[in-house]
Amino acid sequence: DSGVTQTPKHLITATGQRVTLRCSPRSGDLSVYWYQQSLDQGLQFLIQYYNGEERAKGNILERFSAQQFPDLHSELNLSSLELGDSALYFCASSVDPGGATDFGSGTRLTVV
Amino acid sequence: ELKVEQNPLFLSMQEGKNYTIYCNYSTTSDRLYWYRQDPGKSLESLFVLLSNGAVKQEGRLMASLDTKARLSTLHITAAVHDLSATYFCAAPATFGNEKLTFGTGTRLTIIP
Repeated sequence: DSGVTQTPKHLITATGQRVTLRCSPRSGDLSVYWYQQSLDQGLQFLIQYYNGEERAKGNILERFSAQQFPDLHSELNLSSLELGDSALYFCASSVDPGGATDFGSGTRLTVV
Repeated sequence: ELKVEQNPLFLSMQEGKNYTIYCNYSTTSDRLYWYRQDPGKSLESLFVLLSNGAVKQEGRLMASLDTKARLSTLHITAAVHDLSATYFCAAPATFGNEKLTFGTGTRLTIIP
């Protein structure tokens, strides 16, 4: 168990809908990262938060947004969902600097 | 932009044999990570390589890092079926930041 907690584990939703994925980082970690894993794109970095502030952005669509709350948990909001958004979404956390980046168990999103 | 390439993409090997997975990255990086992923599961951290010449071993897996050649290897010794999984290498995009760029992964199948 990495200590990074993600909920829900599975989500099935229709196109055009909006969902929220939740992540609690490992205790003591200030950084939270979101990644998307799909068959065609592989593992891609979406966005990073550090102690409540956005630190880095990757290939994140405008329909997607995230935030990190004062208790350090993070939420990834996906809106106007399309079939192509179906993927595994991972949250990860790390101690800055150095140390292993540990991943949560992921949320499998299926858009139908 | 950092690019991380792994080869081979697919590897089928017999139990008891040795093999090496290669990971090349395009720009200077101060560390390199190896992860294992079982189908539909999360990423399990295997190794964090922090300096040039670093070598780490865990069981039948050994990872090394050559920062001058921008190359890391994951060596498998006397493979067993339990090692069947997809292996990813990843490097941080910038110094001091753990935003990771992943390789395409190597799907390893160990044949009895």
